[in-house]
Amino acid sequence: NAGVMQNPRHLVRRRGQEARLRCSPMKGHSHVYWYRQLPEEGLKFMVYLQKENIIDESGMPKERFSAEFPKEGPSILRIQQVVRGDSAAYFCASSPPQGQGPNSPLHFGNGTRLTVT
Amino acid sequence: GDSVTQMEGPVTLSEEAFLTINCTYTATGYPSLFWYVQYPGEGLQLLLKATKADDKGSNKGFEATYRKETTSFHLEKGSVQVSDSAVYFCALSSNTGKLIFGQGTTLQVKP
Repeated sequence: NAGVMQNPRHLVRRRGQEARLRCSPMKGHSHVYWYRQLPEEGLKFMVYLQKENIIDESGMPKERFSAEFPKEGPSILRIQQVVRGDSAAYFCASSPPQGQGPNSPLHFGNGTRLTVT
Repeated sequence: GDSVTQMEGPVTLSEEAFLTINCTYTATGYPSLFWYVQYPGEGLQLLLKATKADDKGSNKGFEATYRKETTSFHLEKGSVQVSDSAVYFCALSSNTGKLIFGQGTTLQVKP
């Protein structure tokens, strides 16, 4: 039973390029959460999605960042025109259809480490 | 809004020492509380949880008790091992359906 799969593990982009981060949730999970971990900081919530629906994007920067979770395929976190400050580890987590809770805790992927040069 | 505050690290201990990592929270309602652990190069793994006041979560020798009166959920282990070296995150489940994390505490255990 595969866990949450994220790819790529490492991504290097030059300033101004686009970064696409992919996340395939655990089998049977229909909720996806994206978090960002900046150096020496904790995890900051970015966005919470169900299939074809954004539930909560209160943590997403207003510009350049977008996320989707299509009916088929992985969830995608897209960062346009990357800047050095976007360098971070981006983690995806998933939960069952009832959403995250004490009896359905989040399962995390191993993250994508984005470096902007 | 809801928030979690952890003691700053790094925490450096010798093997078999007693561990405490402090965690306090601010929340509306009655959140569930969690400890997650992150080993180098990996994602977060759930370590333990507690869903209501006075509940004690435990796993792999780690324990934490949900203290509503002090809004705390301190992580403890009686005898740490080198393999416990990792980053530990305290988190609460907000009423909006997402987890809110503390800033993480790095634990280094020396042989």
